[in-house]
Amino acid sequence: QVQLVESGGGVVQTGRSLRLSCAASGFTFSSYGMDWVRQVPGKGLQWVAGIWYDGSNKNYADSVRGRFTISRDNSKNTLYLQMNSLRAEDTAVYYCAGDPGWRFDPWGQGTLVTVSS
Amino acid sequence: QSALTQPASVSGSPGQSITISCTGTSSDVGGYNYVSWYQQHPGKAPKLMIYDVSNRPSGVSNRFSGSKSGNTASLTISGLQAEDEADYYCSSYASSVSWMFGGGTKLTVL
Repeated sequence: QVQLVESGGGVVQTGRSLRLSCAASGFTFSSYGMDWVRQVPGKGLQWVAGIWYDGSNKNYADSVRGRFTISRDNSKNTLYLQMNSLRAEDTAVYYCAGDPGWRFDPWGQGTLVTVSS
Repeated sequence: QSALTQPASVSGSPGQSITISCTGTSSDVGGYNYVSWYQQHPGKAPKLMIYDVSNRPSGVSNRFSGSKSGNTASLTISGLQAEDEADYYCSSYASSVSWMFGGGTKLTVL
């Protein structure tokens, strides 16, 4: 079945780095754009970054541009999010989501990132 | 850039219909037909319910419908059922920031 599984979340100190991974299965990963969307617990959704199906184009929210890098390895059906210079306000559940065209579908179950001092 | 504007909460009784609005600007909701709606139950990942303003993915009940007028999009749920109780988020493509979400609406089925 269609599945996205995130990993790599955890507790990290302010200013440190973390890399999230998202393993895809059950669909043609290399044909999908992919995105990262985050959600502060109890709050709303925020788009973080997106990458085209072939990795040729990447976009970022202003709040993470210059600190986060989205990438993908189509040979491994895996999406990544490298997060550097982490701040307390980056604390959230991070979801990866497929982008078959102007929408987010499917979604992973999410991985919690907690940034603390 | 501010999030799209949704009511914080709506409620309805089983069998009734409710509508959730999502207001943006001509740079997002009003400028593109790329509005989508997501349902999120507590502790779960969001689920796509409507895309491209009014299209339903396969497997989503036809009780869910979407529309748009000007800078405001709407999600209507007819024949409310207990399992519809959840948070609902709208999303729109926005040329300046790529994607925007609404603040979310908590639907309570009375």
